[in-house]
Amino acid sequence: NAGVTQTPKFRVLKTGQSMTLLCAQDMNHEYMYWYRQDPGMGLRLIHYSVGEGTTAKGEVPDGYNVSRLKKQNFLLGLESAAPSQTSVYFCASSYSRGNTIYFGEGSWLTVV
Amino acid sequence: QQQVKQSPQSLIVQKGGISIINCAYENTAFDYFPWYQQFPGKGPALLIAIRPDVSEKKEGRFTISFNKSAKQFSLHIMDSQPGDSATYFCAAPQTRGGNQFYFGTGTSLTVIP
Repeated sequence: NAGVTQTPKFRVLKTGQSMTLLCAQDMNHEYMYWYRQDPGMGLRLIHYSVGEGTTAKGEVPDGYNVSRLKKQNFLLGLESAAPSQTSVYFCASSYSRGNTIYFGEGSWLTVV
Repeated sequence: QQQVKQSPQSLIVQKGGISIINCAYENTAFDYFPWYQQFPGKGPALLIAIRPDVSEKKEGRFTISFNKSAKQFSLHIMDSQPGDSATYFCAAPQTRGGNQFYFGTGTSLTVIP
């Protein structure tokens, strides 16, 4: 049982480049989330989805876009990467609102 | 505005001691309070959780104490072990009026042998 899988695990980008982080879950969860983790800041919600075809903004959405075309996948895009987006990104999913949230292993992104 | 406030930021405990981490919240729409444990290089994983209809929940060496009137909840790790060294996050999901799942800023726990 894979749970939540993120790709890639590590990536270095140049300022202005674009990229997409891929997230897949095999638990048939309705809710999916993208968080970023920075030292001293904890986990901050970027965007989330409450079901296939839906997306919503979290606490820190600027500079990111997301798509949920299939229930099991949630994509996070950076259109024009900036050094401030250097972070560890976690995808997560949950069965419904107010239930246990399951995390992926993380994606380390460095923007130079 | 930080929805869930966690303290301390870091904690050093001797092996066998008690580790205590505290969280406070303001939003009364929260009604599920989990604690997550994260080891270096890994994603956070659920450790223990409580709902506000009880004041305490114990699982092995880990206990959550919940004070609804004070809007506070805490994690107690009894007989702390070096293997407990990790970062701990409290969290609270919105279950009314929204769908966001908020996390505290984390506590880095080091248990000294």
